Amino acid sequence: ETGVTQTPRHLVMGMTNKKSLKCEQHLGHNAMYWYKQSAKKPLELMFVYNFKEQTENNSVPSRFSPECPNSSHLFLHLHTLQPEDSALYLCASSQAGSGRYNEQFFGPGTRLTVL
Amino acid sequence: GEDVEQSLFLSVREGDSSVINCTYTDSSSTYLYWYKQEPGAGLQLLTYIFSNMDMKQDQRLTVLLNKKDKHLSLRIADTQTGDSAIYFCAESRSDYKLSFGAGTTVTVRA
Repeated sequence: ETGVTQTPRHLVMGMTNKKSLKCEQHLGHNAMYWYKQSAKKPLELMFVYNFKEQTENNSVPSRFSPECPNSSHLFLHLHTLQPEDSALYLCASSQAGSGRYNEQFFGPGTRLTVL
Repeated sequence: GEDVEQSLFLSVREGDSSVINCTYTDSSSTYLYWYKQEPGAGLQLLTYIFSNMDMKQDQRLTVLLNKKDKHLSLRIADTQTGDSAIYFCAESRSDYKLSFGAGTTVTVRA
């Protein structure tokens, strides 16, 4: 148990659907992250929330919309996705600001398939 | 090119040593990390090294850092079937941001 949970673990959706991914961390951390993992490509950082404020948005298309209501919860709202958005979406958390050491704790991911 | 580069695959016989290599680009990175991802799971920190160190040993794991060449390696001694996984190299970019490679899939054969 890593202390970071994600739901659902698997999601299949059509291009016109709206769905949300949920992440919860039980570690008391102050930073949360969304990553996209595609086969044979580097892990792509999508969004970073530091103390609930979005501090990073790596040119992610607007069909992905993050929400961080508090420091323990992070959502990724999905709308009109494309088949190329199919991937494993990983959530992570860390205690930012502790020197430059940044151990990130990852959830198990949501395997998303867009039809 | 990518910021952090790794070879994609490594096959090793059980009991042999595995060496996974990584190159990075940011000379100001102060910490470098190795993460392990087992099937169906997220990434888990395996070990890390501070940039003023050349080597760090932790049981079967040895991390070597060549800061001049921006080269990082992870050696796993006496590789076991449970070591089969994807291994990610990562460098610190700030207090909260890491830059990851594409991961090296290690397959341990009997």
